Amino acid sequence: EPEVTQTPSHQVTQMGQEVILRCVPISNHLYFYWYRQILGQKVEFLVSFYNNEISEKSEIFDDQFSVERPDGSNFTLKIRSTKLEDSAMYFCASSAGNQPQHFGDGTRLSIL
Amino acid sequence: QKEVEQNSGPLSVPEGAIASLNCTYSDRVSQSFFWYRQYSGKSPELIMSIYSNGDKEDGRFTAQLNKASQYVSLLIRDSQPSDSATYLCAVNLREGNTPLVFGKGTRLSVIA
Repeated sequence: EPEVTQTPSHQVTQMGQEVILRCVPISNHLYFYWYRQILGQKVEFLVSFYNNEISEKSEIFDDQFSVERPDGSNFTLKIRSTKLEDSAMYFCASSAGNQPQHFGDGTRLSIL
Repeated sequence: QKEVEQNSGPLSVPEGAIASLNCTYSDRVSQSFFWYRQYSGKSPELIMSIYSNGDKEDGRFTAQLNKASQYVSLLIRDSQPSDSATYLCAVNLREGNTPLVFGKGTRLSVIA
């Protein structure tokens, strides 16, 4: 069964450094999402992406965040200058039109 | 503020029993409803989707939706220890490919 893949599985970074989280959505999906889950808290929406542009973003997704689809398969989330509070699990999800979203295994981001 | 509410649990049921998980949502115009299972440290895994009032069955799982009461539930029949996980209720607030709003999840423990 096709799946969403994310790399790396765990990223440890010093505060203030830039990180790039990578995702390969399911191949025939057109809608892409990033969510995060701080330990012990609910899954929170960050941004959605369709047709090579952001379709929606939450209040969390401030100027420190950006997304890109650099080629036909990858979908990336960049955090420019990480803060301690960015430590969380980051999940990529994708969906076909009007279908449920399927999640990748996530990247655990630890900011020191 | 659009909210999805779940009892955090833990909900403990004996093996073979029916587990009943409940979710309420605040926005009356919500369109699509999903149950995800999340094992500790893992990503959300889609269990069920439901879009119209009534029941939807898939194997040991039944989702129930009552839009008038803004209530969605998940029944797990013949509960197994492997069903022990956190069950996340998620809602699309609008029609189409829109972000999910998640509840905090209900932790289910199936006792052998």
